[in-house]
Amino acid sequence: AQSVTQLDSQVPVFEEAPVELRCNYSSSVSVYLFWYVQYPNQGLQLLLKYLSGSTLVESINGFEAEFNKSQTSFHLRKPSVHISDTAEYFCAVTSTSGTYKYIFGTGTRLKVLA
Amino acid sequence: ETGVTQSPTHLIKTRGQQVTLRCSSQSGHNTVSWYQQALGQGPQFIFQYYREEENGRGNFPPRFSGLQFPNYSSELNVNALELDDSALYLCASSLETGVGEAFFGQGTRLTVV
Repeated sequence: AQSVTQLDSQVPVFEEAPVELRCNYSSSVSVYLFWYVQYPNQGLQLLLKYLSGSTLVESINGFEAEFNKSQTSFHLRKPSVHISDTAEYFCAVTSTSGTYKYIFGTGTRLKVLA
Repeated sequence: ETGVTQSPTHLIKTRGQQVTLRCSSQSGHNTVSWYQQALGQGPQFIFQYYREEENGRGNFPPRFSGLQFPNYSSELNVNALELDDSALYLCASSLETGVGEAFFGQGTRLTVV
């Protein structure tokens, strides 16, 4: 079984400042890792994913995440945030075999302040 | 290429009633998964359908059931509604049972009173 922990329920940050959203996971099997973003009253949009290969993955809008197997972490970072990044961010894992059901964390609400 | 669409967007039901939620998967996708997202929580996996067969189920009681049709659209049925069933229900479609990416719909907000 897998579990995901997002320790920070809310993260306020000023515009153009850097941000890190933390994600730790627990699993007895190999996993794939994801970050999804949810804007108010909307579904989930994939931000980035780690399947294999380079442990540093990047999104098209400036976010990056690094898979750290020894620390079982997949923290999300952005060097300079914008007001439009205000949203709920969910970390998720799925095993590398089987149903590919996603196990989500409880989410981190990123609030970018002007 | 159309995305994942869910209907209705909002729904209010009375405790004890039954409800059916619908999902049209993204074109070409044959796998549909359903998730329940309670307020302030992450989505919880309900079940997955692959080529019209249930292909995995989360920790939800049997009163949560589903269907997938030959065109890969899907329904989620919930019987004997309880107040705790109030949540955002999300449908996600993907290709095969592959892990590449699951595309989510905007969800159905169900309120049980």
